[in-house]
Amino acid sequence: DQQVKQNSPSLSVQEGRISILNCDYTNSMFDYFLWYKKYPAEGPTFLISISSIKDKNEDGRFTVFLNKSAKHLSLHIVPSQPGDSAVYFCAVAGDSSYKLIFGSGTRLLVRP
Amino acid sequence: DGGITQSPKYLFRKEGQNVTLSCEQNLNHDAMYWYRQDPGQGLRLIYYSQIVNDFQKGDIAEGYSVSREKKESFPLTVTSAQKNPTAFYLCASRQGFGQPQHFGDGTRLSIL
Repeated sequence: DQQVKQNSPSLSVQEGRISILNCDYTNSMFDYFLWYKKYPAEGPTFLISISSIKDKNEDGRFTVFLNKSAKHLSLHIVPSQPGDSAVYFCAVAGDSSYKLIFGSGTRLLVRP
Repeated sequence: DGGITQSPKYLFRKEGQNVTLSCEQNLNHDAMYWYRQDPGQGLRLIYYSQIVNDFQKGDIAEGYSVSREKKESFPLTVTSAQKNPTAFYLCASRQGFGQPQHFGDGTRLSIL
């Protein structure tokens, strides 16, 4: 049973436009949420995180939104650049756990 | 430069053979993790260690073993009992709860 779902396996956007990646989770006890970016044959790179006490966190072109009532997490990239083309994973943790649970990833393609 | 080093980058295993994947970190992180990634899937946790000389099974520990004799090192052995070992293996470390995990660049294991 998947506790973290990324329902869109792929997304294609035009350079300069907004990319919105989505993630849903099932357990309301999760309280720490992260986004990672991954290129082929490399390890994931941490992008941005948010704790459950906030509903928005911003870092440059990247903004993460958390809707606790809907158990929904999203990553906005504005403006999108071709170098953003990669697979994006959301991950969650909770209950003081050292473990992260990852979604299956969304492949983003930013077209020049 | 602080980071996580995984070696080798590519590894081939013969049937019935045990192989060991290396993971070293110089970030002074307490917790270390091993994940497996299969095509089109997210990261699945194999083993993790929160402190030296202690480790716990993750979601898919069968056919794998680990040790944590030093803070910097967390080697993973893929035993002959693992019937489907072909995958991309990722090692990660983290300072503590509320901090992101940082990943190495992975080892791709294939069966000869």
